[in-house]
Amino acid sequence: GAVVSQHPSWVICKSGTSVKIECRSLDFQATTMFWYRQFPKQSLMLMATSNEGSKATYEQGVEKDKFLINHASLTLSTLTVTSAHPEDSSFYICSARVLQGGDQPQHFGDGTRLSIL
Amino acid sequence: QQQVKQSPQSLIVQKGGIPIINCAYENTAFDYFPWYQQFPGKGPALLIAIRPDVSEKKEGRFTISFNKSAKQFSLHIMDSQPGDSATYFCAAAQTGANNLFFGTGTRLTVIP
Repeated sequence: GAVVSQHPSWVICKSGTSVKIECRSLDFQATTMFWYRQFPKQSLMLMATSNEGSKATYEQGVEKDKFLINHASLTLSTLTVTSAHPEDSSFYICSARVLQGGDQPQHFGDGTRLSIL
Repeated sequence: QQQVKQSPQSLIVQKGGIPIINCAYENTAFDYFPWYQQFPGKGPALLIAIRPDVSEKKEGRFTISFNKSAKQFSLHIMDSQPGDSATYFCAAAQTGANNLFFGTGTRLTVIP
């Protein structure tokens, strides 16, 4: 149980393109979903937290207009990287949590590798 | 500011050895300490977690040791196998809060 599916797994696109990444909880309803960014050989950096039906909470230094997050249902959250540039190239990972509380397990997707040419 | 400090950055052991990965934290409000295992190109997977009311927890070949007074916790992998080669992240969180704070990761290589 607790499977999180992320799509696409890999995307290459030209600079200036907007890219949408989907995160789905397949066998549970996620009250909260998280979006992380991971650079090679580095740790996961939290970008934003989203709760179904409300606006996402962004971490300091993350541009809200650059990284649009929509959490329209209890099983789907999307991250749109708008007008992507080469510096946005990274590994983006989502996670989902069933219950509220920092001590509840987060279940991670397999990530999306974004390469901007 | 790194909320959770992890060491070593990388570790190489022979098959059957017992790699030990250490983590330390400052925030005494943290009360949940999970470990995640990540293979290349994949998302992290929850391995084992501990709360401060116990000093040790075992699940299969994985053991967490927790020292509340020192604000340190560690992961031991018994009888390590080449399939255990991955990056391991410790993390810490606080009940009632939202965020999970990750360590910087340890890349483990188990040599056959």
